[in-house]
Amino acid sequence: GDSVTQMEGPVTLSEEAFLTINCTYTATGYPSLFWYVQYPGEGLQLLLKATKADDKGSNKGFEATYRKETTSFHLEKGSVQVSDSAVYFCALLNTGNQFYFGTGTSLTVIP
Amino acid sequence: DTGVSQDPRHKITKRGQNVTFRCDPISEHNRLYWYRQTLGQGPEFLTYFQNEAQLEKSRLLSDRFSAERPKGSFSTLEIQRTEQGDSAMYLCASSFTAGKDEQYFGPGTRLTVT
Repeated sequence: GDSVTQMEGPVTLSEEAFLTINCTYTATGYPSLFWYVQYPGEGLQLLLKATKADDKGSNKGFEATYRKETTSFHLEKGSVQVSDSAVYFCALLNTGNQFYFGTGTSLTVIP
Repeated sequence: DTGVSQDPRHKITKRGQNVTFRCDPISEHNRLYWYRQTLGQGPEFLTYFQNEAQLEKSRLLSDRFSAERPKGSFSTLEIQRTEQGDSAMYLCASSFTAGKDEQYFGPGTRLTVT
């Protein structure tokens, strides 16, 4: 079945460090890929998305590129801030209009 | 529109009782989804509606669970004869039309079964 596997956390970084959170997926056909973020005490919010191979999603300094050849959608940010501390979820929307989420990666950024 | 809303935000119930949750989606969205999220896990799909039609149900949705969306607007999720294993955050999300559009999530209803 379809699934998403993402890097286990928790991840702790110093402010201005480079962030990578790995995400790989298994799906038939051509899913859309998403990163959602959940800040403490809040609901899930869409961070970025990509709908076809080689698309790059970007928002708030975060980027992820849809790589069909490696079935990956890794999240990156060049310089993290304390305000980026949250849980990040990788997700796919398959051709049957069902979403599958990864288990989430907790990020803590320390000043 | 202020987004997807869910009510109640928290529910504590005793094992064996029935509970019902409500979700109000973004008004122009015709798709509505229910998920369950347990601690340390991502959301798990339960079911979704397109307008008033329930189009898909996960095998996680046992016969104690039922969801409705009678007029294609708000939706309810009922759990009968609750069990401790039902303790989780229940999330609702909505989206506009089919295809590649993202979902907008509500804040969730946290259920605790004692």
